[in-house]
Amino acid sequence: GQQLNQSPQSMFIQEGEDVSMNCTSSSIFNTWLWYKQDPGEGPVLLIALYKAGELTSNGRLTAQFGITRKDSFLNISASIPSDVGIYFCAGLNYGGSQGNLIFGKGTKLSVKP
Amino acid sequence: DAGVTQSPTHLIKTRGQQVTLRCSPISGHKSVSWYQQVLGQGPQFIFQYYEKEERGRGNFPDRFSARQFPNYSSELNVNALLLGDSALYLCASSPRQGAPSGYTFGSGTRLTVV
Repeated sequence: GQQLNQSPQSMFIQEGEDVSMNCTSSSIFNTWLWYKQDPGEGPVLLIALYKAGELTSNGRLTAQFGITRKDSFLNISASIPSDVGIYFCAGLNYGGSQGNLIFGKGTKLSVKP
Repeated sequence: DAGVTQSPTHLIKTRGQQVTLRCSPISGHKSVSWYQQVLGQGPQFIFQYYEKEERGRGNFPDRFSARQFPNYSSELNVNALLLGDSALYLCASSPRQGAPSGYTFGSGTRLTVV
C-alpha cells in the first residue's frame, strides 16, 4: 500500500536537543497530520495542518505544511525523555467519498537523559 | 468520556482460521475506520464506514470484510488467516467522514497468526 516518505527512520539524541523530521509525498494532500505512538498504544494526534504554508505550534512542537502540498515538517524543541516514541506523518484528502489517512513509515525517537 | 474501545486486546490464531475484531467508537462519532499496522511500518487503511455504509476500501484482499452496526460500533472480519496477517489492527472513529482532526485511534488488537 501507499506510504509517505518519512525521514529519518530513527534518531538518538541527548535530552535538551532539538529534533527535526520531515515527510514527503508524490501526491498532494489538503491536510497534513502528525501523530505520536507509544508502545502498545494507538497513534495520538499532535498537530493538524490545513493550509499550504501553514505553520502551527503545540507547546514545544512546531509543524509546517509545505507550499507544494507534498511535504510537511515537524520540529521538537528542547527534547525531554517523555518525547520518546514513534512519530508518524499522515496525509489526508477529505471531501466527497474520501477520508482515509496515508501514513509515513515513522521516525523512532530515543532521548538520552 | 470513553475513548475508542477495541476488543480483544490480544489474539492468537492458527493459519486458515477466521477472526473477528470489534470496535466501539467515541459516543457521537458516526464514522469508523480500520487500519492494519505491521511491525515497523505505519498504519495502512483497510476500510471506512460512515452511517453504516462502506465509504472507502484500501488495497486488501476479499478475505477482509467489515460492517457497522446501528449503534455505530464495527466489526472487522478476516477469513483464511495467513502468517502475514499478523499485525496490530487499529480502529479510528471520527464525528463524520473525513473530519480532518477528528480521527481518534483505539489502542488496537494485536493479532498473531501461527
